[in-house]
Amino acid sequence: EAGVAQSPRYKIIEKRQSVAFWCNPISGHATLYWYQQILGQGPKLLIQFQNNGVVDDSQLPKDRFSAERLKGVDSTLKIQPAKLEDSAVYLCASSFEAVGEQFFGPGTRLTVL
Amino acid sequence: AQSVTQLDSQVPVFEEAPVELRCNYSSSVSVYLFWYVQYPNQGLQLLLKYLSGSTLVKGINGFEAEFNKSQTSFHLRKPSVHISDTAEYFCAVSDPAGTALIFGKGTTLSVSS
Repeated sequence: EAGVAQSPRYKIIEKRQSVAFWCNPISGHATLYWYQQILGQGPKLLIQFQNNGVVDDSQLPKDRFSAERLKGVDSTLKIQPAKLEDSAVYLCASSFEAVGEQFFGPGTRLTVL
Repeated sequence: AQSVTQLDSQVPVFEEAPVELRCNYSSSVSVYLFWYVQYPNQGLQLLLKYLSGSTLVKGINGFEAEFNKSQTSFHLRKPSVHISDTAEYFCAVSDPAGTALIFGKGTTLSVSS
């Protein structure tokens, strides 16, 4: 089966610009996650969706980050405006159900100059 | 709150030697435990997981881990490593209610000939 797809794979922007990332989860997976992985650290959850509803966004910096999952399938994560400290790899993961194995996409590497 | 500590940031070993990557967790409730591997420029891949039952868990690529509740540990082992095992390894925890994964900072395993 096809895995979790993410695009773009790499993105370089200047601070204060905006950027958007896209994720297509595995077909049939109800739960979708966005993680932020800063260099030298483990991934940290930004937001968790169950179908098209938000389950947990407690660690999402809502003044600049937003995410949506229209129709409970694809998802986009947006940063506006970007800061230098947003440089990281943004990982999307999906699972069939909330307690199931999470499958990760290849990630989007963001560099903010 | 749950947390994960990976005790070694880097582990250098020679090919065909045994290896142990250490992981301790803190949680006041029942936990699910995972080990993921991340190869350069790729997403995370599940090596193995402990949900319940036998405390010795076998995973892919010859890895195994043992859940020790009294010591709150979930160390990863392999009796004989290969060059191809060179990667970043992450220990993670979640709870049975289906919360997202909480990751450790990772351990870089470097296998040389």
